[in-house]
Amino acid sequence: DAKTTQPTSMDCAEGRAANLPCNHSTISGNEYVYWYRQIHSQGPQYIIHGLKNNETNEMASLIITEDRKSSTLILPHATLRDTAVYYCIAGSSNTGKLIFGQGTTLQVKP
Amino acid sequence: ETGVTQTPRHLVMGMTNKKSLKCEQHLGHNAMYWYKQSAKKPLELMFVYSLEERVENNSVPSRFSPECPNSSHLFLHLHTLQPEDSALYLCASSQDGAGGGEQYFGPGTRLTVT
Repeated sequence: DAKTTQPTSMDCAEGRAANLPCNHSTISGNEYVYWYRQIHSQGPQYIIHGLKNNETNEMASLIITEDRKSSTLILPHATLRDTAVYYCIAGSSNTGKLIFGQGTTLQVKP
Repeated sequence: ETGVTQTPRHLVMGMTNKKSLKCEQHLGHNAMYWYKQSAKKPLELMFVYSLEERVENNSVPSRFSPECPNSSHLFLHLHTLQPEDSALYLCASSQDGAGGGEQYFGPGTRLTVT
């Protein structure tokens, strides 16, 4: 599984878009990019995933660069409840083996 | 979120005790997972079950013994644990095959070994 690199922490003002970057320069052709978040002391929550194309759902948008070496998770209108650790994971959809790193701690401020 | 439930939510046990953690998923998935999250550390995958067969065992000590009697239930049997086993134990499920990376987690069991 490819290793991912994320900033340790980020701040975002409430109501503004939060853009969380992730580098995955060693991602292989069959690996997806997954995003999860974990609010303090709760189980991780699946957000979104993608292979090559940009994806959007009710929670967020995922922008993947054309060379697939990096991606950005966008929370369009961050709220205080979006404060969490966000994990970017590159992994195969078949194995279900997700390797969690340290993630990015996003602090949304009023 | 009630798709994946875990009991108990909190557990305190001595090193000589035997206890079990229970996980139940109501999502119709056929793959289930146990993860361990120690303080200040990333989640570590412990076990993976697909169609009730264990397909992954990440060098977990034998004092942790998983059991998957059917696709909806997963247990983690604990015996003679060490204080360093204190952690948040998380269960997850997914649709096997193409959905394997889209996992749904339970709230976890906070385990303290005294």
